[in-house]
Amino acid sequence: GQNIDQPTEMTATEGAIVQINCTYQTSGFNGLFWYQQHAGEAPTFLSYNVLDGLEEKGRFSSFLSRSKGYSYLLLKELQMKDSASYLCAGPLGAGNMLTFGGGTRLMVKP
Amino acid sequence: DAGVTQSPTHLIKTRGQQVTLRCSPKSGHDTVSWYQQALGQGPQFIFQYYEEEERQRGNFPDRFSGHQFPNYSSELNVNALLLGDSALYLCASSPSDRGSGGYTFGSGTRLTVV
Repeated sequence: GQNIDQPTEMTATEGAIVQINCTYQTSGFNGLFWYQQHAGEAPTFLSYNVLDGLEEKGRFSSFLSRSKGYSYLLLKELQMKDSASYLCAGPLGAGNMLTFGGGTRLMVKP
Repeated sequence: DAGVTQSPTHLIKTRGQQVTLRCSPKSGHDTVSWYQQALGQGPQFIFQYYEEEERQRGNFPDRFSGHQFPNYSSELNVNALLLGDSALYLCASSPSDRGSGGYTFGSGTRLTVV
């Protein structure tokens, strides 16, 4: 199977740093995606890691270890607008079908 | 440049009825995928269309069917609706020459079955 696990909810303080973890079974994925989804809206692309290591993009960074089936999304200098669900997803197959985790609902408090 | 557009945005149907949802992909994208997202859950892959053919299919019953038109737009049809089909249905388009971040999602159709 291709189960993807991530925490259901996290709470952090404005201005702080938060790390959202994602673990998955290691067979078949062509890398790992992270998406942000505000309530009632479409998921929006944050990052795609195809190789091991850390990729930094502004306040957001994403890490992947393919051998360990582990990824994390790091959000720095948290802002209230970062309150959203964060979805990790593995692309599979010729058409890059995405298998999603259940999503982590992040609440940023003042 | 319009992204992925879906219609309708909201829909209420009665158990046993049939429904058709529509999706227009982002300009330049030729592949369309459909996902079902129950409240508080991650999206679940239904199927993907490329060159007017179903290329991949997730673990959904035959009540779920689709179509892709020559202009790359797509429809999702669900027959014999069940209460459990109530969900947000997301369409995502991507170019066939996939690269990182190739997927663009629409805002979805919220289907409520009563």
